[in-house]
Amino acid sequence: DTGVSQDPRHKITKRGQNVTFRCDPISEHNRLYWYRQTLGQGPEFLTYFQNEAQLEKSRLLSDRFSAERPKGSFSTLEIQRTEQGDSAMYLCASSPLGDEQFFGPGTRLTVL
Amino acid sequence: GNSVTQMEGPVTLSEEAFLTINCTYTATGYPSLFWYVQYPGEGLQLLLKATKADDKGSNKGFEATYRKETTSFHLEKGSVQVSDSAVYFCALSPPGNQFYFGTGTSLTVIP
Repeated sequence: DTGVSQDPRHKITKRGQNVTFRCDPISEHNRLYWYRQTLGQGPEFLTYFQNEAQLEKSRLLSDRFSAERPKGSFSTLEIQRTEQGDSAMYLCASSPLGDEQFFGPGTRLTVL
Repeated sequence: GNSVTQMEGPVTLSEEAFLTINCTYTATGYPSLFWYVQYPGEGLQLLLKATKADDKGSNKGFEATYRKETTSFHLEKGSVQVSDSAVYFCALSPPGNQFYFGTGTSLTVIP
């Protein structure tokens, strides 16, 4: 068990470009969560999946944000037409059907 | 609704000092409460948790008690070490649901 992994760890992009981040949860964890963390703040919930079903997506920040978990294993978070305000750390967490969440190291996005 | 209010930082303490980081919450239902720690350059790690009123979570010398009457979950440690320097996040979670985090408290322990 290697824990939750995220790729890439850092991403620098130009405004207007699309970016995609990947999260590999702990195997056999049914639930997968995405959060955004900006400097000096706690993580902010974006969306979550139970297996391949996206159970909550109303907290995604805009329609430029989308997430998928096509086979109930890894997940991707895509941001289209990035803006400077999207610069943040994007965190993924996974959980068995219970309350403890295990976090990955995050992907730091910088939009120039 | 659900929210967490956490003591503002940064906090600077000398080694072996007593630590308290205050955390209060508002919640619907009966959430679980957590403290997560983030060491420099690393991801969030669970420090301790409590799942019902009057439960005490403890780990690595840290403790926090789930107080329903005061809606609090304050983090304490009797004697901090330099290696405890990190950012500490209080969080709540309705069972099986998303986490609601506080803003984090940065702790620096000086020798």
